[in-house]
Amino acid sequence: AQSVTQLGSHVSVSEGALVLLRCNYSSSVPPYLFWYVQYPNQGLQLLLKYTTGATLVKGINGFEAEFKKSETSFHLTKPSAHMSDAAEYFCAVTEGGYSTLTFGKGTMLLVSP
Amino acid sequence: DSGVTQTPKHLITATGQRVTLRCSPRSGDLSVYWYQQSLDQGLQFLIQYYNGEERAKGNILERFSAQQFPDLHSELNLSSLELGDSALYFCASSGGRETGNTGELFFGEGSRLTVL
Repeated sequence: AQSVTQLGSHVSVSEGALVLLRCNYSSSVPPYLFWYVQYPNQGLQLLLKYTTGATLVKGINGFEAEFKKSETSFHLTKPSAHMSDAAEYFCAVTEGGYSTLTFGKGTMLLVSP
Repeated sequence: DSGVTQTPKHLITATGQRVTLRCSPRSGDLSVYWYQQSLDQGLQFLIQYYNGEERAKGNILERFSAQQFPDLHSELNLSSLELGDSALYFCASSGGRETGNTGELFFGEGSRLTVL
């Protein structure tokens, strides 16, 4: 069965600092991996996804993530945080086929001036 | 705007009551998914429909049921409501190819249910 673990329910950074949100997954087959973002009072929006090919994936708003099979990780990074990045971020995994999307519990990113 | 429409946005009701949440998927999307989001459980998959047929079932209680209609809109019915059912209920849609979900889900803004 597939599962996702996000380390840290809250991450605080200063504006301009590096953002690192951690995600580890469990999957019995090569996974498809996603990061979604949820702004207050809104639904989830796709940031980026890994299916096959290049392991470093670039998404919207300057975010990127690297698929590391040996570490079963898919951490999300951004070189320089903006105030507008404050939101909740969800890592998700699916094994494809008829498998559904399983989400982690989310990490709230707080950005201070 | 994701193109997925959910109504109502907010709903307050009492324990023991029944409510219906409605979802209109993006134009052309055949699959509809329902998720429940709560502080303690996070985002939990409830059920998926593809072109009117149930495709996958997750942690959906027997008191809950759903269906997808011929026009592809979906309804989630919650009955005998308990305090613990208070949550944000999301609908999402995707192209839903027969081979399953390998792509992006488009989420509505959710229906916030409060059970008093």
